[in-house]
Amino acid sequence: NAGVTQTPKFQVLKTGQSMTLQCAQDMNHNSMYWYRQDPGMGLRLIYYSASEGTTDKGEVPNGYNVSRLNKREFSLRLESAAPSQTSVYFCASSPEMNTEAFFGQGTRLTVV
Amino acid sequence: GESVGLHLPTLSVQEGDNSIINCAYSNSASDYFIWYKQESGKGPQFIIDIRSNMDKRQGQRVTVLLNKTVKHLSLQIAATQPGDSAVYFCAENMKGGSQGNLIFGKGTKLSVKP
Repeated sequence: NAGVTQTPKFQVLKTGQSMTLQCAQDMNHNSMYWYRQDPGMGLRLIYYSASEGTTDKGEVPNGYNVSRLNKREFSLRLESAAPSQTSVYFCASSPEMNTEAFFGQGTRLTVV
Repeated sequence: GESVGLHLPTLSVQEGDNSIINCAYSNSASDYFIWYKQESGKGPQFIIDIRSNMDKRQGQRVTVLLNKTVKHLSLQIAATQPGDSAVYFCAENMKGGSQGNLIFGKGTKLSVKP
């Protein structure tokens, strides 16, 4: 089982460039999430999708957009990357809200 | 290298000893708690969870204790092994909370000496 798969694993962007981080899960989970992880800050929720067709803001949504493409896929888009968005991004999924979340391996993004 | 471990509280234990990692959570309305383990360069991995109607739950070599009176959560690892070296996060979820999902603590780095 692949679980939660994120692409790419590494990315370097110039300030102002855009990109989309992809995430797919094969566990038939209803809920999906995007987190960012910075040193000393733990994991902070960017956006989540409680179920297919819905998305909601988390703790730090500014500068990001998301799309729940279907039940399997949940993408995160940076329209105009800024150095403050340099971070490690994790996608996660869970059967329902308020249940155990399974994480992908992360995308390390550097904005220069 | 992985920068997740910088500036984190660190617990150093001898192989074979028991480890206790503590976490103070923030919201008295939180009703679900999870411990995650994160190894360098990997995503967080579920260890054990507990709901607020319990005060103790045991897994394989791990036990989670919940003290709602003082909003404290602990993870006990028995017979700690080198493979247990990682950063450990507690996470809480408030029933009906607007955040939508788990709020993570900043983590504790466990270092196991052989």
